[in-house]
Amino acid sequence: NAGVTQTPKFQVLKTGQSMTLQCAQDMNHNSMYWYRQDPGMGLRLIYYSASEGTTDKGEVPNGYNVSRLNKREFSLRLESAAPSQTSVYFCASSEGSGGVFRTDTQYFGPGTRLTVL
Amino acid sequence: GENVEQHPSTLSVQEGDSAVIKCTYSDSASNYFPWYKQELGKGPQLIIDIRSNVGEKKDQRIAVTLNKTAKHFSLHITETQPEDSAVYFCAAFIPGYSSASKIIFGSGTRLSIRP
Repeated sequence: NAGVTQTPKFQVLKTGQSMTLQCAQDMNHNSMYWYRQDPGMGLRLIYYSASEGTTDKGEVPNGYNVSRLNKREFSLRLESAAPSQTSVYFCASSEGSGGVFRTDTQYFGPGTRLTVL
Repeated sequence: GENVEQHPSTLSVQEGDSAVIKCTYSDSASNYFPWYKQELGKGPQLIIDIRSNVGEKKDQRIAVTLNKTAKHFSLHITETQPEDSAVYFCAAFIPGYSSASKIIFGSGTRLSIRP
């Protein structure tokens, strides 16, 4: 039982390049989330998926897109990376459906450290 | 807007002593308050949480207290050990329908335990 896995662990991009961050969970959870973590700012929600086939914007969705490929996988795409997107990205999942409306425990992956030059 | 203030940003305590981290939230509708521990190179992990109908919750060496009137809540770690060294985040959940609900995180406290 690996929990929540993320790939890659590290990535360096040039401004304007695109990439997709991958996330998978093996806990049969319904909800999945993408956060970014910046120094001194805690975690901020980018997008979430309350159930397979649905996605919703969080606090800071601009510049990102997501895909809930199936119940296990939730990917985050940067279409045209900008230096302001330099951050550590965390994927999380929780058991219940309904996204952040439910106060279920969220389980986090190990993170992807992204640098945009 | 909604925010959660967390203090201190760094904290160093002698092994065996107690550590206290405090958070203040702005939205009085907040009703759920989790605390996360993040070790170096890892994702945050829930260590304890409290709901607004409870004033205090304890789990072995860690405890959380909530003062709804003052809108603040605190994490208490007693008999600190080297493995307690990490970054701790508080958060406050604001209920609402679907995407109107949100969870706001504090900015984190880096706790160091001195041997």
